[in-house]
Amino acid sequence: SQQGEEDPQALSIQEGENATMNCSYKTSINNLQWYRQNSGRGLVHLILIRSNEREKHSGRLRVTLDTSKKSSSLLITASRAADTASYFCATSGGSGYSTLTFGKGTMLLVSP
Amino acid sequence: EAGVAQSPRYKIIEKRQSVAFWCNPISGHATLYWYQQILGQGPKLLIQFQNNGVVDDSQLPKDRFSAERLKGVDSTLKIQPAKLEDSAVYLCASSYGPPKEETQYFGPGTRLLVL
Repeated sequence: SQQGEEDPQALSIQEGENATMNCSYKTSINNLQWYRQNSGRGLVHLILIRSNEREKHSGRLRVTLDTSKKSSSLLITASRAADTASYFCATSGGSGYSTLTFGKGTMLLVSP
Repeated sequence: EAGVAQSPRYKIIEKRQSVAFWCNPISGHATLYWYQQILGQGPKLLIQFQNNGVVDDSQLPKDRFSAERLKGVDSTLKIQPAKLEDSAVYLCASSYGPPKEETQYFGPGTRLLVL
């Protein structure tokens, strides 16, 4: 079964706009990661946020985590056509190994 | 640094046939993962190796899927016999170690179509 549920399933915006994707999960986590997948570069790690962190930034990416609501959001600012891809959240649970459980993803389309 | 290598990139077989996928992880990465990604879904972990030992294969359909990682480096994933529902992309990933915060690096995947 998949832990994370991304919302929306699909998002279409214009270049320069911001894109926000949400992820909800069911059980306690150690950390939550966001990955991007497109046909050209496969699945690529974007950012990791630990369970004791509330917000993290990396370039044009901003991730928030609310463990009380079991949810996370990924904000991409000033989007570009190259940001067109599927975005997945993945949670890492309580075991000593970095097993990841992925959601179904959000498909983002950025139009020029 | 070279990334995770996988072959073949594409494979078409008929149901009940056998197929094998190969993965070469990033040099020095002790942990190797095989995922199955069905169209429209996120990757699902099939098996995780720590060096050449299995640490999680709870979602591997062991009646038809097998995987090995000899010498703790390369790995092969086999399906025998294949079913229509095995059509998917098979992703291999690796990470440096077992700690909980390790980033996983993914290969390009093998796209399997079972007819």
